[in-house]
Amino acid sequence: AQTVTQSQPEMSVQEAETVTLSCTYDTSESDYYLFWYKQPPSRQMILVIRQEAYKQQNATENRFSVNFQKAAKSFSLKISDSQLGDAAMYFCAYMTTDSWGKLQFGAGTQVVVTP
Amino acid sequence: EPEVTQTPSHQVTQMGQEVILRCVPISNHLYFYWYRQILGQKVEFLVSFYNNEISEKSEIFDDQFSVERPDGSNFTLKIRSTKLEDSAMYFCASSPSNTDTQYFGPGTRLTVL
Repeated sequence: AQTVTQSQPEMSVQEAETVTLSCTYDTSESDYYLFWYKQPPSRQMILVIRQEAYKQQNATENRFSVNFQKAAKSFSLKISDSQLGDAAMYFCAYMTTDSWGKLQFGAGTQVVVTP
Repeated sequence: EPEVTQTPSHQVTQMGQEVILRCVPISNHLYFYWYRQILGQKVEFLVSFYNNEISEKSEIFDDQFSVERPDGSNFTLKIRSTKLEDSAMYFCASSPSNTDTQYFGPGTRLTVL
């Protein structure tokens, strides 16, 4: 069974600084997808970034980038130049290519941004 | 930009009552999903739906749950006889294919008294 682990319940960062959220996963599959979703206080789930496991290049989306280490089964998210609007719960999620779109989520990391 | 919508935003019901949660997926998407999030916990997969059939369901999705696409736009989750432990946020999501990114609706908060 695949599991997704986020070991940091909460991370605090100052505005304009950088924070890195960790995520590890357990799988025997070679092809899969990884995601980071953001959940602000409104509780809407918003896609931050997506990574295909067959791609060696790390995905980037503006101030958000990932460090994908396939052998280590690690998928960390870096938020650069943090803004107050980045404050939210961040969930790492995993999906196999042969599932019917079943996303498996980690427990989440709460990001607190201080002025 | 197209988005997934859900109604109602908040539903309060008595234990044992039936509830129907409604979703309008993005119009050209073919795959539909329901997830739930009990307060303070992780988001859990309930069911995926494609071509008018359930394609995968979790162990949470027992006989009390059902899904339906009654017309070309709506996608519903029915809970036949609600329990206290069904209180949660229920998210609908949709995607063009089963490997594409899923786009989530704003959620329906279900409170069972």
